[in-house]
Amino acid sequence: RKEVEQDPGPFNVPEGATVAFNCTYSNSASQSFFWYRQDCRKEPKLLMSVYSSGNEDGRFTAQLNRASQYISLLIRDSKLSDSATYLCGSGYSTLTFGKGTMLLVSP
Amino acid sequence: DTAVSQTPKYLVTQMGNDKSIKCEQNLGHDTMYWYKQDSKKFLKIMFSYNNKELIINETVPNRFSPKSPDKAHLNLHINSLELGDSAVYFCASSPRGPGGHEQFFGPGTRLTVL
Repeated sequence: RKEVEQDPGPFNVPEGATVAFNCTYSNSASQSFFWYRQDCRKEPKLLMSVYSSGNEDGRFTAQLNRASQYISLLIRDSKLSDSATYLCGSGYSTLTFGKGTMLLVSP
Repeated sequence: DTAVSQTPKYLVTQMGNDKSIKCEQNLGHDTMYWYKQDSKKFLKIMFSYNNKELIINETVPNRFSPKSPDKAHLNLHINSLELGDSAVYFCASSPRGPGGHEQFFGPGTRLTVL
């Protein structure tokens, strides 16, 4: 079983839609969780850290479910500019990334 | 005001050659990393240095040798390049670490081995 798994997508949604991604992790000792955004041919950029109590940043909400070992990312009111690949990362002594979920937002 | 920079951005070379990639961060971070992202987009850690000391060395061929002259720089030298080395190599840094803190990535070096 891969350490961090994500549905590769693509998720095709219209502008204004709400979309959610999940990411499962296998290392129960993981203490740190992040969501990154990667545009085509660019580097991953930190979108948000994921805290135990869940956290929100504008249209983006991240949740952590330790019991089921997954983290989620909810994007509300999708914009065309949200089109990208979303990578989740989790770890304890090292950070392991999933392969990413591609989001395509259409007009 | 570039945070993490890498040179070169593109590298095209023949099999068997030796090449180096340089990375510098001006964030004052203690920890730096090298990642490889292959054609399947899987981002895999190769090495991590904390304050110039090697702390993570994943299963990477010993043709790859990182060097950290100071905590702001982490270079990667690759000997005897092979076709399978073609990938994008990302440098990253974090305030302390590894693993427990957000990592900030450089723009990547796209290596093509012919």
